[in-house]
Amino acid sequence: DAGVIQSPRHEVTEMGQEVTLRCKPISGHNSLFWYRQTMMRGLELLIYFNNNVPIDDSGMPEDRFSAKMPNASFSTLKIQPSEPRDSAVYFCASSPPPLGTQYFGPGTRLTVL
Amino acid sequence: AQSVAQPEDQVNVAEGNPLTVKCTYSVSGNPYLFWYVQYPNRGLQFLLKYITGDNLVKGSYGFEAEFNKSQTSFHLKKPSALVSDSALYFCAVRDGNSGYSTLTFGKGTMLLVSP
Repeated sequence: DAGVIQSPRHEVTEMGQEVTLRCKPISGHNSLFWYRQTMMRGLELLIYFNNNVPIDDSGMPEDRFSAKMPNASFSTLKIQPSEPRDSAVYFCASSPPPLGTQYFGPGTRLTVL
Repeated sequence: AQSVAQPEDQVNVAEGNPLTVKCTYSVSGNPYLFWYVQYPNRGLQFLLKYITGDNLVKGSYGFEAEFNKSQTSFHLKKPSALVSDSALYFCAVRDGNSGYSTLTFGKGTMLLVSP
C-alpha cells in the first residue's frame, strides 16, 4: 500500500497568492482529516470528512481556508489569499471505518513570504 | 469534551536505559488511546493503540503502553532505549462511544536518547 499521498511536499509562495494542497487517502478508508502543525500551536485539526462529506470544519481558521473532497480518492485544501501566518506543515490523514486508526501522509511544508 | 496532557516537553534518557513518556487523558465516554511518533520532516507514524482488553499494549519497535483507568493514564514505555528512538511522541484520545468523535492530540514530548 502506498500510504497517504500528499502533494506538493514543499510550497513557497508570496502573500496574497492562492495555494492548493492535495491529498490521496489510502484506498478503502472512508474518513479523511486535514491537520496543521506549527511550533506555536502544535497539531490542529482543520476539517474532517466522512464518506466525502464534511463532518466538522470548526477548526478551519478563516474563510480564506476551504476544503473539498469530490470523491473517495482525492481531497484538496485551498488557501486564498495566503498570508505569512499560514506558514506551517499541513498533514492529511485517513482512517478506515468505523473511525479506526488514522494514518498520516508525509505533509506539505508551506512557506508564505 | 476530551483532552490529553503530556506533562513533559522533553525526556532525556541514555541508550540502553528504560524510557517512559507520560500521558494522561480526559474523555466522557469510553477511551480509545493512541501513541504516534514523528521523526524530523516526516508525518506522524502510528505506534500502538488501546481499545479494550489487556491493559498492557504492545506496539511497533519494541514500544508498549499501559492503560490505567483509575489514573486516567496511558504511559508509553520501552525497556531499552535506542538512539534511533529520538523523536517527537504524541498521545491521542477519542471517545469510543461517539460515532463521529475525532482524535485529540497532546502537545507532544520530545524524546532524546544519548549514546
